Amino acid sequence: GDSVTQMEGPVTLSEEAFLTINCTYTATGYPSLFWYVQYPGEGLQLLLKATKADDKGSNKGFEATYRKETTSFHLEKGSVQVSDSAVYFCALRYSSASKIIFGSGTRLSIRP
Amino acid sequence: SAVISQKPSRDICQRGTSLTIQCQVDSQVTMMFWYRQQPGQSLTLIATANQGSEATYESGFVIDKFPISRPNLTFSTLTVSNMSPEDSSIYLCSAAEPGQGFNEQFFGPGTRLTVL
Repeated sequence: GDSVTQMEGPVTLSEEAFLTINCTYTATGYPSLFWYVQYPGEGLQLLLKATKADDKGSNKGFEATYRKETTSFHLEKGSVQVSDSAVYFCALRYSSASKIIFGSGTRLSIRP
Repeated sequence: SAVISQKPSRDICQRGTSLTIQCQVDSQVTMMFWYRQQPGQSLTLIATANQGSEATYESGFVIDKFPISRPNLTFSTLTVSNMSPEDSSIYLCSAAEPGQGFNEQFFGPGTRLTVL
């Protein structure tokens, strides 16, 4: 079946460091890919998305590129801030009517 | 975008009791979903609830344990029945519109349930 695998956390970085959170997926078809973020005490929010191969999603300085050849959707940010501390979930979905399959989540902590 | 609220935001319950979680959307939506997020784990879909039809449950979840109501296009409830400590989780409601193109699935803030 379809699944999403992302790197184990927690990830701890200093402010202004470069961030990569790895995500790979297994899919029987051609899903859309997502990164969701869950800030402390808040609900889940869509951070960025890519709906087809080679698409790049971006938002708030974060980027991820849909790589079909490596079945990956790694999240990157050039310079992290303390406010980026949160749990990040990689996910896939086939359509608006279908469920979202989530990865296990990666907790990110940024030190001032 | 849709704004989703849930009640209660958190609760502590005794083993063997039941809790009903309410989910309210600020606009009419066709599809609503209930997810569970167990401590330190990812989100797992419990069921899909469409207005006017029975909820569709994922493997491992049954209606007797997690009855769901969907009386109209803006509201749904999830009941966690005969609770045990293993039911301690965050329960999230989400909503989406099917159709062409990308339609975002919006999430509520979650209900944090602790069962003693």
